[in-house]
Amino acid sequence: GNSVTQMEGPVTLSEEAFLTINCTYTATGYPSLFWYVQYPGEGLQLLLKATKADDKGSNKGFEATYRKETTSFHLEKGSVQVSDSAVYFCALTWLYNFNKFYFGSGTKLNVKP
Amino acid sequence: KAGVTQTPRYLIKTRGQQVTLSCSPISGHRSVSWYQQTPGQGLQFLFEYFSETQRNKGNFPGRFSGRQFSNSRSEMNVSTLELGDSALYLCASSLEQGNNEQFFGPGTRLTVL
Repeated sequence: GNSVTQMEGPVTLSEEAFLTINCTYTATGYPSLFWYVQYPGEGLQLLLKATKADDKGSNKGFEATYRKETTSFHLEKGSVQVSDSAVYFCALTWLYNFNKFYFGSGTKLNVKP
Repeated sequence: KAGVTQTPRYLIKTRGQQVTLSCSPISGHRSVSWYQQTPGQGLQFLFEYFSETQRNKGNFPGRFSGRQFSNSRSEMNVSTLELGDSALYLCASSLEQGNNEQFFGPGTRLTVL
């Protein structure tokens, strides 16, 4: 079946450290891939997306590359800030899937000053 | 532009009762999706509505139902509540389908005692 697997959290980093959150997926065909972020007490917000193989999504210093050969979409940021502390979700869907998204379990990021 | 709003934000019910949650999408958005978020199962897709029609459904029992009105507002209903229904219920709206960004509301926290 279709699924998304994320690395277990929490991930604790010091400010300005390099961040990687791993995401791999199992899916038929050619899904679109997303990273969403959830801050405490809020709903999810789209962080970035990629719709085809080798696409790189980027936003607010975060980036992720759609790797078809390894079925991965790892999230990276060169220098994290305290304000990046949140839960990050990897997700996938298809163009004609009527907005049915498959989400990973989420990875909590804690950034210390 | 106002975001997705969900009411109520918090609910406490007892087993066997029923509950109705409401979601008002962003103006102009015709697609509304519902998700259940729990610590154990993560984010799971419930159903999606577009122009008052359910287009997609997740793997939840028939106790979970929904509807959409002509103004795109949506409600979901859970009957005969069980302890395991305690969760954060998230609503998301988008313009159309597939690769379009989903905008999430803050959620309704349901506690079943």
